[in-house]
Amino acid sequence: EVQLQQSGPELVKPGASMKISCKASGYSFTGYTMNWVKQSHGKNLEWIGLINPYNGGTSYNQKFKGKATLTVDKSSSTAYMELLSLTSEDSAVYYCASSYYRYDEGAVYAMDYWGQGTSVTVSS
Amino acid sequence: DIVMTQSPSSLSVSAGEKVTMSCKSSQSLLNSGNQKNYLAWYQQKPGQPPKLLIYGASTRESGVPDRFTGSGSGTDFTLTISSVQAEDLAVYYCQNDHSYPLTFGAGTKLELK
Repeated sequence: EVQLQQSGPELVKPGASMKISCKASGYSFTGYTMNWVKQSHGKNLEWIGLINPYNGGTSYNQKFKGKATLTVDKSSSTAYMELLSLTSEDSAVYYCASSYYRYDEGAVYAMDYWGQGTSVTVSS
Repeated sequence: DIVMTQSPSSLSVSAGEKVTMSCKSSQSLLNSGNQKNYLAWYQQKPGQPPKLLIYGASTRESGVPDRFTGSGSGTDFTLTISSVQAEDLAVYYCQNDHSYPLTFGAGTKLELK
């Protein structure tokens, strides 16, 4: 069974940084791209960026450059997203979601598997 | 950035009805080289992460009931549920899978009467 298990909810102070983990199991970790998605107020979905676990290559949404840093640890099949200099605007649920490359079928980063989400609240 | 516009924002239907929802992109999602549209649909139920329903505009993900059908090309896309069931209560999102940054529509909320 494929699972993406994310770390637990976080309450952090403004200006702090924090890291969310996403541990993959049940599939080839290096065979899928890992995306990170922000959902604010239970509604809007925003793509933060992605990382290729095979070679560590990344692509970021310009909006989140300087805000998020994506890394992986292949040895433990875990992806990480560090969020920097947090403000109230960063309060949201963050998801990791993996994509299987199916270019000839019209899918490059369609997100097949999702973590359960990590709630981040930024408050003093 | 490609802007994804979904309509309507909400739909109230009875079980068994046919439902159609729209997704329009500000730029074409069609790859002229292979004639594939890079458009995905997701279903999100309350308290759950999104679930991939459709990719390539019309290919159902494994395990998705055949009452869900995706269609369209270029900039205009449609998700149809042929006979709505109670378990289809959810928000449906479309996603640009063509160009960075990947972008999502604002969603269509399906409510049952």
